[in-house]
Amino acid sequence: EADIYQTPRYLVIGTGKKITLECSQTMGHDKMYWYQQDPGMELHLIHYSYGVNSTEKGDLSSESTVSRIRTEHFPLTLESARPSHTSQYLCASSESGGLQHFGDGTRLSIL
Amino acid sequence: QKEVEQNSGPLSVPEGAIASLNCTYSDRGSQSFFWYRQYSGKSPELIMFIYSNGDKEDGRFTAQLNKASQYVSLLIRDSQPSDSATYLCAVREDNQGGKLIFGQGTELSVKP
Repeated sequence: EADIYQTPRYLVIGTGKKITLECSQTMGHDKMYWYQQDPGMELHLIHYSYGVNSTEKGDLSSESTVSRIRTEHFPLTLESARPSHTSQYLCASSESGGLQHFGDGTRLSIL
Repeated sequence: QKEVEQNSGPLSVPEGAIASLNCTYSDRGSQSFFWYRQYSGKSPELIMFIYSNGDKEDGRFTAQLNKASQYVSLLIRDSQPSDSATYLCAVREDNQGGKLIFGQGTELSVKP
């Protein structure tokens, strides 16, 4: 069982607020990922990191940003939330060449 | 653009039957293949993975690779209602070191 944690699990917040979604893993994995998934729809990779101080944009354009200052921590930030950002955000991690495991996700709703 | 394709379903099978889920991929050089199960409202859970060197069986689950035709299958024997979920196929972009390309998922419904 992978030890990857996301907080908060649910967030309902108003338009224009700055939001940070937290993702942490305790396995020392180099690689971490953020996906966005709307209900009943496919997963879209929005950001990934292959190590500290390394971040890349994924296949789906996103207004969010990420940082990787510590191996275990990969937060995602929305500077000014909009209703179009309403979605589920899933974090995952893997060791080099290894299997990718997901956290429980954050359900974000922007009013 | 490398692609992974799945029939979105729903695939409906009776309890006790074999459920067969398929996935095609576009990159002939792909070597690592993964099956995730995702219950409604939950995050994906890794259930099977295979590499290009052969098929794999784990309990009621069997993953099979057909490299010539570029598809990978997941067979679920003795299907149970608890198997009802969306099954995501993923292929690793080995030249990228870890990124997975996911299909859109197949919804499986096992009827009692």
